[in-house]
Amino acid sequence: AQTVTQSQPEMSVQEAETVTLSCTYDTSESDYYLFWYKQPPSRQMILVIRQEAYKQQNATENRFSVNFQKAAKSFSLKISDSQLGDAAMYFCAYRSAWGGGGADGLTFGKGTHLIIQP
Amino acid sequence: GAGVSQSPSNKVTEKGKDVELRCDPISGHTALYWYRQSLGQGLEFLIYFQGNSAPDKSGLPSDRFSAERTGGSVSTLTIQRTQQEDSAVYLCASSPVGGTQYFGPGTRLTVL
Repeated sequence: AQTVTQSQPEMSVQEAETVTLSCTYDTSESDYYLFWYKQPPSRQMILVIRQEAYKQQNATENRFSVNFQKAAKSFSLKISDSQLGDAAMYFCAYRSAWGGGGADGLTFGKGTHLIIQP
Repeated sequence: GAGVSQSPSNKVTEKGKDVELRCDPISGHTALYWYRQSLGQGLEFLIYFQGNSAPDKSGLPSDRFSAERTGGSVSTLTIQRTQQEDSAVYLCASSPVGGTQYFGPGTRLTVL
């Protein structure tokens, strides 16, 4: 079974600064997907960024980018120019690429609570 | 277009009662997922539907939990004889086959 570990229960950053959230995972599969989701107090899980394991290039979405290290099984999220609206719980998630049955379900980490200091 | 919707937004029930939670996926999404989010267990995957079929029900916490999907669209998660440990936020997500999952706002269930 796959596991996802987020070692930082809480992180704090000054507005406009850069912050990196850590995520490591354990799997014996070679092909999979990794995700970062954001969950503000409204409870709505919002996709931030997605990475396919077969792609060596790190995914980016505007101020959000990842550092994907496949050999180290590490998938960190960098948020540049932090904004007050970035305050939320951030979840790292894994999904097998093979699909079918429970393999399609996401395996989540415990989350990191990101606080933005004005 | 419309996102995933869930109803009710909040549900308070008494221990021992049955509850039904509803999920309306994004139109055209053939895959539908249920997750449970609780303080103690974090986010747990419960069940996955491809069309109306649920190939793997092993994620359901107990036989008090069941789910169905009709017409390849709406899904209902039913919890019978609710217990206090069932209190959690129940999240639904949908996706195209093999695609990214998009989540609904969740149903907060409180069992008194």
